[in-house]
Amino acid sequence: GAGVSQSPSNKVTEKGKDVELRCDPISGHTALYWYRQSLGQGLEFLIYFQGNSAPDKSGLPSDRFSAERTGGSVSTLTIQRTQQEDSAVYLCASSLGGLVGTQETQYFGPGTRLLVL
Amino acid sequence: SQQGEEDPQALSIQEGENATMNCSYKTSINNLQWYRQNSGRGLVHLILIRSNEREKHSGRLRVTLDTSKKSSSLLITASRAADTASYFCATDNQAGTALIFGKGTTLSVSS
Repeated sequence: GAGVSQSPSNKVTEKGKDVELRCDPISGHTALYWYRQSLGQGLEFLIYFQGNSAPDKSGLPSDRFSAERTGGSVSTLTIQRTQQEDSAVYLCASSLGGLVGTQETQYFGPGTRLLVL
Repeated sequence: SQQGEEDPQALSIQEGENATMNCSYKTSINNLQWYRQNSGRGLVHLILIRSNEREKHSGRLRVTLDTSKKSSSLLITASRAADTASYFCATDNQAGTALIFGKGTTLSVSS
């Protein structure tokens, strides 16, 4: 595709419910990242996928957060039993993946705005 | 935890003026990147500067890197109203698998 796409663009949910956020990376990009941006803050790294390697989950804030990447392309970030502090913009990025992640330009999607009431 | 910290937090200038934003970081890096974020939108990559480079240009953008001071600067020359956005610097995490962003500098350019 032309760029990284994310869905939904906005999500309002009630505390305690589960949510799934989707990311479609740029075609051919083997590296995929999830970040979280709280209001007025910088981006917080969540998880990194590179090809078939085990993902780097070191940024996930709790075991309520999980992510998977099926077929090396689309990724889903799942938040279980959402809390109000989970409210943020969740951004996905992808890169070619030829080099270690941070050596490359990352291309970001528009994000999903999550509001937990 | 945050690696890069931008300074100033907010900057307001007139069109045509130059804007300078600074970034300081704590640990050694492989490269440093600058991104722009328009209100309510995703991030757009501006420039990547590697640790063995001291200066890099792209159009009206000039980035410097001083690894001895662990700092970088982004200069936007002849600013335009369309440059109004938040600007973030980002460096590697220790594993080299993802970027660590600062809180950003919010730039407002008025005509």
